[in-house]
Amino acid sequence: QQQVKQSPQSLIVQKGGISIINCAYENTAFDYFPWYQQFPGKGPALLIAIRPDVSEKKEGRFTISFNKSAKQFSLHIMDSQPGDSATYFCAASQLDSNYQLIWGAGTKLIIKP
Amino acid sequence: DVKVTQSSRYLVKRTGEKVFLECVQDMDHENMFWYRQDPGLGLRLIYFSYDVKMKEKGDIPEGYSVSREKKERFSLILESASTNQTSMYLCASRNPWTDTQYFGPGTRLTVL
Repeated sequence: QQQVKQSPQSLIVQKGGISIINCAYENTAFDYFPWYQQFPGKGPALLIAIRPDVSEKKEGRFTISFNKSAKQFSLHIMDSQPGDSATYFCAASQLDSNYQLIWGAGTKLIIKP
Repeated sequence: DVKVTQSSRYLVKRTGEKVFLECVQDMDHENMFWYRQDPGLGLRLIYFSYDVKMKEKGDIPEGYSVSREKKERFSLILESASTNQTSMYLCASRNPWTDTQYFGPGTRLTVL
């Protein structure tokens, strides 16, 4: 019940296209859902995060869509650019969880020029 | 600007050696974490610390220990390194106001 399942494992998108990465969870007590971006040789960095009181959050070309009833959330990257090529991780946590994030397995995204 | 530093980017050790990985943060955060990253497995929590001298086991603590004597420093110790501990090790600290975890650049450890 603590798992976060992320798909796909890898994704290739043409420049200018839309990249979509999906995550699903079981624990309905989760109340914080961040996405992290990791470039080769670097640690992950927070990209965007959402809490379950809203169904969508947009920051520039990046959007999180959140479906509470389906227990799913997804990252959409509009107008994908080669500089977006990275590994993306979804995660989830709940209040009173000792601040632990439960991580998805990651998606390696490649944007083809 | 937030900064988390790790003592080494690359480390090569022999089986049975004691290994110390150090992490320092400059943000006065109470919570710090050690993760292990392996392809296809995401980030797995080894240990975390929610204050000085306080620690809790994560999902995969076997073969590891930690030390937090000062707020800014969190050390991961491999008591007797084994080849299955070859991995990327990531340290993070957490901003309590935003829940954001800030990561160091990682240490790629190879155990021969």
